[in-house]
Amino acid sequence: DVKVTQSSRYLVKRTGEKVFLECVQDMDHENMFWYRQDPGLGLRLIYFSYDVKMKEKGDIPEGYSVSREKKERFSLILESASTNQTSMYLCASSPGQGIQPQHFGDGTRLSIL
Amino acid sequence: GESVGLHLPTLSVQEGDNSIINCAYSNSASDYFIWYKQESGKGPQFIIDIRSNMDKRQGQRVTVLLNKTVKHLSLQIAATQPGDSAVYFCAERGGNDYKLSFGAGTTVTVRA
Repeated sequence: DVKVTQSSRYLVKRTGEKVFLECVQDMDHENMFWYRQDPGLGLRLIYFSYDVKMKEKGDIPEGYSVSREKKERFSLILESASTNQTSMYLCASSPGQGIQPQHFGDGTRLSIL
Repeated sequence: GESVGLHLPTLSVQEGDNSIINCAYSNSASDYFIWYKQESGKGPQFIIDIRSNMDKRQGQRVTVLLNKTVKHLSLQIAATQPGDSAVYFCAERGGNDYKLSFGAGTTVTVRA
């Protein structure tokens, strides 16, 4: 089975800190995604990567950046964390022929104090 | 902009009954739809998908119906089991945009 692993289930950081969320997938998928999930809003796409070193902005990229140096790893970076970035963050992957997310990690619940 | 929504935020179902979860969408150009299931403490899980050139697709105990005339999507779960308790999301892909738009979700609770 495909496994998408997010490095932390829970994370607490302070306003202004630089925060790294890590995601690894083990099925050699081309596509990787970062979403945030907030009550009543559904999932919103932050960034998408379709290949190593390639990235595209999603619907809400402001305040975030990403890094994809290796195919299996996709990192989300909060450059200067703010309280409105408190959320559940979900990483996902899919094979090249299907650019919609198929396999999700279990999420990182990030709190910014 | 386009929106995807579910008709009801919660649904309570008796174990063994069939469940129907509804979703309305507004983008008539959407060509692909997905249903996801999210159990408590876990990430969403792909259940079933359907393309706009189809009206119905069946999986294991699940059926997705697409009515393009009224822009309505439904997920039917046969013989609902306790393990079906979860939040269910629909998602659509606009015809000229690879990105998915997600609904807010319906929480399904199965009563024993």
